[in-house]
Amino acid sequence: AQKVTQAQTEISVVEKEDVTLDCVYETRDTTYYLFWYKQPPSGELVFLIRRNSFDEQNEISGRYSWNFQKSTSSFNFTITASQVVDSAVYFCALVSISGGYNKLIFGAGTRLAVHP
Amino acid sequence: GAGVSQSPSNKVTEKGKDVELRCDPISGHTALYWYRQRLGQGLEFLIYFQGNSAPDKSGLPSDRFSAERTGESVSTLTIQRTQQEDSAVYLCASSLGWGDNQPQHFGDGTRLSIL
Repeated sequence: AQKVTQAQTEISVVEKEDVTLDCVYETRDTTYYLFWYKQPPSGELVFLIRRNSFDEQNEISGRYSWNFQKSTSSFNFTITASQVVDSAVYFCALVSISGGYNKLIFGAGTRLAVHP
Repeated sequence: GAGVSQSPSNKVTEKGKDVELRCDPISGHTALYWYRQRLGQGLEFLIYFQGNSAPDKSGLPSDRFSAERTGESVSTLTIQRTQQEDSAVYLCASSLGWGDNQPQHFGDGTRLSIL
């Protein structure tokens, strides 16, 4: 079965704090892709990152970084020095061959509120 | 615009009525997807189109739901005899193709409210 779990329903931080959003996934496949999307209050889903299962290197993009660990089936997302504009719902998602490579399996999302 | 376009942005209708939602994918994107997002929840896959191949309808929740796509252009999602449980945001996404896992780019969605 394919499943994505985002255990944190809501997180509230003060601006400039670092925050990590957790994502744990389940799949029997050895080849799969993981994604993070941001959904700001305006509603549109914004693609942030895609990572394939063979590349465990951590990635940094500005204030965003991602930690992929196959040993714990986790793909966590850290925002450094958070800003009010980071307030959004963040979704982790999985695509794998068992799922047909065309269905994103989404977690329930984590709502991040960054206060000034 | 260059993004995925969905219309209407909001739709309010009475229970039992039929509704039709429209999606214009990004030009050149051969793959098109429909998802449903209930309030406070993640996205549920509904249906997928890739070129002229038979669509993957495995996510459609009931036979009241159907979707069409002409070639690699516009898609319509139709819900017949709407129920209150159909209230949700319906999101359309498109991507360059299938199998190479190009990111799916989403529209702003249609917020459907069934009274």
